[in-house]
Amino acid sequence: GAVVSQHPSWVICKSGTSVKIECRSLDFQATTMFWYRQFPKQSLMLMATSNEGSKATYEQGVEKDKFLINHASLTLSTLTVTSAHPEDSSFYICSAREGSQNEKLFFGSGTQLSVL
Amino acid sequence: AQTVTQSQPEMSVQEAETVTLSCTYDTSESDYYLFWYKQPPSRQMILVIRQEAYKQQNATENRFSVNFQKAAKSFSLKISDSQLGDAAMYFCAFVQGAQKLVFGQGTRLTINP
Repeated sequence: GAVVSQHPSWVICKSGTSVKIECRSLDFQATTMFWYRQFPKQSLMLMATSNEGSKATYEQGVEKDKFLINHASLTLSTLTVTSAHPEDSSFYICSAREGSQNEKLFFGSGTQLSVL
Repeated sequence: AQTVTQSQPEMSVQEAETVTLSCTYDTSESDYYLFWYKQPPSRQMILVIRQEAYKQQNATENRFSVNFQKAAKSFSLKISDSQLGDAAMYFCAFVQGAQKLVFGQGTRLTINP
């Protein structure tokens, strides 16, 4: 099956700093990628839809200026958590869509962010 | 809006036995996809099985099978001959076209040796 690589797997940062998470589709082109956030023992919550060459679409309640998304190529989307605070600590997962419909989604391995 | 409900927060089963996880969903669409994802302690999301709504035949993947009841909007997962490696969170999910993937709340499955 298709492979989606997500880096880093975990990151620890100081409060006030910014952290960038990368999501790459290794063997297919993905015009659309998705970013999720998952709290312990909870389901995945969609944060935003990343579209290659255009602005991301954010879900209600997600701060655009806090979570910057860039999808500059057909194989790479990045999520930057700006001015991170302890409440931003969470598990972040990306998924990439193969094709034009969402029945073929492939997930990255996730990134655990801990903000001190 | 589509919703997915998993009414069993936790389930447990003896190794080698069979367990069924429940999932119901709500939609007015007729053409869509349903999924079961497994999330082990590594937290990698693993696709277990996929069902296309217009196919009446229930999907199967080795020890995993589904009971898809379209009229009742029910999509349960049966795991046969449970193995220790099946222990994980299981998420039921729904998608229609280019709409976003909607997840259920998850069911934590424990396998007792």
